[in-house]
Amino acid sequence: KQEVTQIPAALSVPEGENLVLNCSFTDSAIYNLQWFRQDPGKGLTSLLLIQSSQREQTSGRLNASLDKSSGRSTLYIAASQPGDSATYLCAATSYNNNDMRFGAGTRLTVKP
Amino acid sequence: NAGVTQTPKFQVLKTGQSMTLQCAQDMNHEYMSWYRQDPGMGLRLIHYSVGAGITDQGEVPNGYNVSRSTTEDFPLRLLSAAPSQTSVYFCASSHYRDGNQPQHFGDGTRLSIL
Repeated sequence: KQEVTQIPAALSVPEGENLVLNCSFTDSAIYNLQWFRQDPGKGLTSLLLIQSSQREQTSGRLNASLDKSSGRSTLYIAASQPGDSATYLCAATSYNNNDMRFGAGTRLTVKP
Repeated sequence: NAGVTQTPKFQVLKTGQSMTLQCAQDMNHEYMSWYRQDPGMGLRLIHYSVGAGITDQGEVPNGYNVSRSTTEDFPLRLLSAAPSQTSVYFCASSHYRDGNQPQHFGDGTRLSIL
């Protein structure tokens, strides 16, 4: 059974800092790895999707990497802004299961 | 673009009552799914569908029923509500389950069972 872990559960940084969010998974036979953003009281918005054959994906100030052999993915946010404050979740889709397994998320606060 | 629409946004039920959570998408997505989100546990898959007339169970299906009569709609039914079903429920959809397409989520239904 795939298990996805995100550490830390919460992170607070000053505006302008570069930061890294971590995601680990136990089953390396994944189909893809997705990063989502969730604002309070809202649904999830897909940020980046990394296919199993890829090592990283970039969108604006966001860069996500994938290392299947070590069971890890990271989300790098450059030059953080207060508007980046949200909960960030990662989810792994396994070849053996027909569903995505989510981490519990990292709650990010960027202080002005 | 409406995307994925969930109704109601909030609901309070008494133990033993039944209800249906509605989910509709206007993107002609084949794949639709229901998740529940509990504090500290992330999202867990309840049921999913790969097309009209086809449904299957996810990680936590007990106490819930689904049906998929059209591409657009995927309602979730609570048969006899229990306090353990207090949660936030999200519906999601995507074009292809194995096509590496990102999933689109609704804004959720916040359900409290007393």
